[in-house]
Amino acid sequence: AQSVTQPDIHITVSEGASLELRCNYSYGATPYLFWYVQSPGQGLQLLLKYFSGDTLVQGIKGFEAEFKRSQSSFNLRKPSVHWSDAAEYFCAVAPSLTGGYNKLIFGAGTRLAVHP
Amino acid sequence: NAGVTQTPKFRVLKTGQSMTLLCAQDMNHEYMYWYRQDPGMGLRLIHYSVGEGTTAKGEVPDGYNVSRLKKQNFLLGLESAAPSQTSVYFCASSPAGGPGTGELFFGEGSRLTVL
Repeated sequence: AQSVTQPDIHITVSEGASLELRCNYSYGATPYLFWYVQSPGQGLQLLLKYFSGDTLVQGIKGFEAEFKRSQSSFNLRKPSVHWSDAAEYFCAVAPSLTGGYNKLIFGAGTRLAVHP
Repeated sequence: NAGVTQTPKFRVLKTGQSMTLLCAQDMNHEYMYWYRQDPGMGLRLIHYSVGEGTTAKGEVPDGYNVSRLKKQNFLLGLESAAPSQTSVYFCASSPAGGPGTGELFFGEGSRLTVL
């Protein structure tokens, strides 16, 4: 069965520092990969997605993620964090072989706090 | 642009009571989903629908029923609420092809407490 692991429950960084959020997945083939962000009291918003091709994908709000097949990872990065980036971040996978519908599997989330 | 709208946003129930959560989307999306979010567990799929008149079970369907009588609406029902159903519920929609070909659009959530 597919699964997603986000090893870090909470991360705190200083404003202006770089950020990397980890995501590992378990799936037999290359899945579709996503990062979503949830601001307090809000629904989830898509940051970026990977389907195929270039393993470094760019998203909104200055985020990027790199797919590493050998490590089954899809880590999210940002070179300089802003206070408004404080939120909860979810990694998600969808199996590619079945077309991906209905089976978006979410990780448990990483809550990011930003110190001024 | 309303997007995905959930009602109600907050509700407190007593054990054994019933209720319905309504989700409405104005993007003409084919697929709609109900998730629940619990601390430390991310989002788990309850039920989903790939079109008007169709529904299917997700990861945690027990204790819930759904209906999709109109394309724009997806209802989630609790026939006999239990404390274990205390959670935040999210509705989402996506174009045909589902999450594997695009993105999900989420509502703002409905916080349900069962006493």
